[in-house]
Amino acid sequence: KQEVTQIPAALSVPEGENLVLNCSFTDSAIYNLQWFRQDPGKGLTSLLLIQSSQREQTSGRLNASLDKSSGRSTLYIAASQPGDSATYLCAVRDAGNNRKLIWGLGTSLAVNP
Amino acid sequence: NAGVTQTPKFQVLKTGQSMTLQCAQDMNHEYMSWYRQDPGMGLRLIHYSVGAGITDQGEVPNGYNVSRSTTEDFPLRLLSAAPSQTSVYFCASSKRSSTNEKLFFGSGTQLSVL
Repeated sequence: KQEVTQIPAALSVPEGENLVLNCSFTDSAIYNLQWFRQDPGKGLTSLLLIQSSQREQTSGRLNASLDKSSGRSTLYIAASQPGDSATYLCAVRDAGNNRKLIWGLGTSLAVNP
Repeated sequence: NAGVTQTPKFQVLKTGQSMTLQCAQDMNHEYMSWYRQDPGMGLRLIHYSVGAGITDQGEVPNGYNVSRSTTEDFPLRLLSAAPSQTSVYFCASSKRSSTNEKLFFGSGTQLSVL
């Protein structure tokens, strides 16, 4: 059964720091992995989608990597800003299990001015 | 662009009451879905639809009904609300139902059942 884990559950950093959020999954048979951002009282916003055949995707200050064989993905945020404060969730599209999206619980990030 | 619009944002119900959570998207998306988000649990799929007139059950469908009479709208009905249905509900859509599509989410409905 596919399980997705995100560690740490919460992270607090000073503004300007480069940081890495981690996502691990137990079954390497996936179609893709997505990173989302969730702001309090708001919905989720898709940040990056990495296909199973890709190693990384970049959007602005965000870079997501995927290592299927080790069941890991990282979201790298460069030069963090207070506006980056949010909860970041990852979700894998399971290749089995009726192609379900399996979600992590998220990392709550606080970037302090 | 409105994207995915959910109403209401907040709702308080008494046990046994029924209500409908509304979801509409203006992006001509084929795929629409409903999730619930509870503390300590990942998002869980309630129901989904791959097109008008087609709906199917997700992981936790009991106590909920859906219909998809138009491409734009995908309402979620609670038939007889229970305290276990206290949660935040999100509607999400994508252009197609294929596995490689990004999901677009509404802003959520926070539901409390007393």
